[in-house]
Amino acid sequence: SQTIHQWPATLVQPVGSPLSLECTVEGTSNPNLYWYRQAAGRGLQLLFYSVGIGQISSEVPQNLSASRPQDRQFILSSKKLLLSDSGFYLCAWGQGISQAPLHFGNGTRLTVT
Amino acid sequence: GENVEQHPSTLSVQEGDSAVIKCTYSDSASNYFPWYKQELGKGPQLIIDIRSNVGEKKDQRIAVTLNKTAKHFSLHITETQPEDSAVYFCAAGTSNTGKLIFGQGTTLQVKP
Repeated sequence: SQTIHQWPATLVQPVGSPLSLECTVEGTSNPNLYWYRQAAGRGLQLLFYSVGIGQISSEVPQNLSASRPQDRQFILSSKKLLLSDSGFYLCAWGQGISQAPLHFGNGTRLTVT
Repeated sequence: GENVEQHPSTLSVQEGDSAVIKCTYSDSASNYFPWYKQELGKGPQLIIDIRSNVGEKKDQRIAVTLNKTAKHFSLHITETQPEDSAVYFCAAGTSNTGKLIFGQGTTLQVKP
């Protein structure tokens, strides 16, 4: 069966520090991969998605970037964190583009101080 | 751009009552409409989905209806139980992009 791993679960970082969040998927090949952000009490905002290695689409201009170095690995990064980057970051995978559901990891709670 | 509006933002019901959450979407090309349940500190979990060639789908106490003409879709939970308490999200997607656009979420509280 397919599983998605996301780490770390929680992270506290000072303003101006770098960020690297990692997500890996097991049990499937060539998945679509997604990064969402959820601000407190709000919905899920799509940040990046990828349909293949090295293919990244950015949905919102921001302080963050994403990379997909391997088929089932998706990384969210920042060179210098801002206070506004605080939130709950969720990685998700989906199979193909034919109306398949997304499956989410358990998220990373990021607090920028 | 694409947008999904979800109402209400909070909903409180007595155990055993029904709960209804409504969503509207803007992109007429949307053809896939899933619903997710998110418990505290966890990622959203798919509970039911509907595709544009179907008007209604039911799974035990949960049902979803879709009106493509009006661009509306709704989640119905009958005989609510305390364990139904969570945040529920609707979403709309198009098969040519693979993206899902989510509503703002509804916090459902079921009082025993």
